[in-house]
Amino acid sequence: DGGITQSPKYLFRKEGQNVTLSCEQNLNHDAMYWYRQDPGQGLRLIYYSQIVNDFQKGDIAEGYSVSREKKESFPLTVTSAQKNPTAFYLCASSIGAGSYNEQFFGPGTRLTVL
Amino acid sequence: GQSLEQPSEVTAVEGAIVQINCTYQTSGFYGLSWYQQHDGGAPTFLSYNGLDGLEETGRFSSFLSRSDSYGYLLLQELQMKDSASYFCAVSSGSARQLTFGSGTQLTVLP
Repeated sequence: DGGITQSPKYLFRKEGQNVTLSCEQNLNHDAMYWYRQDPGQGLRLIYYSQIVNDFQKGDIAEGYSVSREKKESFPLTVTSAQKNPTAFYLCASSIGAGSYNEQFFGPGTRLTVL
Repeated sequence: GQSLEQPSEVTAVEGAIVQINCTYQTSGFYGLSWYQQHDGGAPTFLSYNGLDGLEETGRFSSFLSRSDSYGYLLLQELQMKDSASYFCAVSSGSARQLTFGSGTQLTVLP
């Protein structure tokens, strides 16, 4: 089955620790995205990547970092510089970012920083 | 920047029709999408409008007026399983990235 996987589903970390969220897709999609969702809010774009070894900042990139070394993988690191990291993090992919394409979402990781 | 407005909550009964409106302000607009999200779940794509007019997909239809910066999602023959949050999202920028509204929580009553 093709799809997007995110792990883990729930993640707890102490304040001041960096944490990396995994996102893997086997849809052969070129574009991948990271969003943050807070309770009762919409999705806000953190970073996106249109192709391997390239990525761009979204609307709320401060305190986050990403890498795109492989087409299938787009991990997100939440650093200690992120002031309020507790949130629901969603990864998505699409065929390509140069023209409209439906985005497919993973199940999300709920991060709680204690 | 981009901004979108949609109602925060809508309630309707099973079998009814409901319309969720979305107004937007954006530069470099390409189109308007709608996504559905059940509590705690992943958003799923419902529809996309790149041109003015109505797009129909089964019980769901979506409309866009580019001149009015306005669109809506129409859900017909409501079912209990339609209870979810619905997000409009504008596609803009060189990478056609999505900017989402804050979502409309639809509650379908028996």
